[in-house]
Amino acid sequence: AQSVSQHNHHVILSEAASLELGCNYSYGGTVNLFWYVQYPGQHLQLLLKYFSGDPLVKGIKGFEAEFIKSKFSFNLRKPSVQWSDTAEYFCAALGQGGKLIFGQGTELSVKP
Amino acid sequence: NAGVTQTPKFQVLKTGQSMTLQCAQDMNHEYMSWYRQDPGMGLRLIHYSVGAGITDQGEVPNGYNVSRSTTEDFPLRLLSAAPSQTSVYFCASSRTGGRTNEQFFGPGTRLTVL
Repeated sequence: AQSVSQHNHHVILSEAASLELGCNYSYGGTVNLFWYVQYPGQHLQLLLKYFSGDPLVKGIKGFEAEFIKSKFSFNLRKPSVQWSDTAEYFCAALGQGGKLIFGQGTELSVKP
Repeated sequence: NAGVTQTPKFQVLKTGQSMTLQCAQDMNHEYMSWYRQDPGMGLRLIHYSVGAGITDQGEVPNGYNVSRSTTEDFPLRLLSAAPSQTSVYFCASSRTGGRTNEQFFGPGTRLTVL
């Protein structure tokens, strides 16, 4: 079965620290991958997406993710986090029939 | 463009009551879906629709019904609410076909079943 795993459930960082959130997927077909962010009390917003081409994908707000096919990974990174990055982050893969398969989510808390 | 809209934003039900969560989109998207979000479990797909008149089950369909009579609307019905259905519900829509299948999410409905 297709699945997406996020191993970090809650990450706490200080402002200006670097961020890397792990995401692994299991799907043997064409891979379409996404990172969504949910700020407190708000709905999900797309941060970035990977469909093909350059495995290093740049998104909004200084986020980027790298698709590593050999590791089945699509980790999210940001060189220097801000307090406003406090949110929950979801990795997702596009499965059969256009269905999005989400990971469990990672809650990021950034201390000012 | 209002995007994806959901009503109500909050709802409290008693066990056994029924209700309908409304979802509408004005982007002429063919694909619509309902997810529930629970702590530590991410978002799980309840039902989805690839076009008017066509619906199918997702990962957790039990206790929920859907219909798609128009492209714009995709209501989710709880026929007999149970405490296990306490959750935040998100509706999403996207274009079908191709690989640029970005989904747009509504603001969510927070449902509590007592």
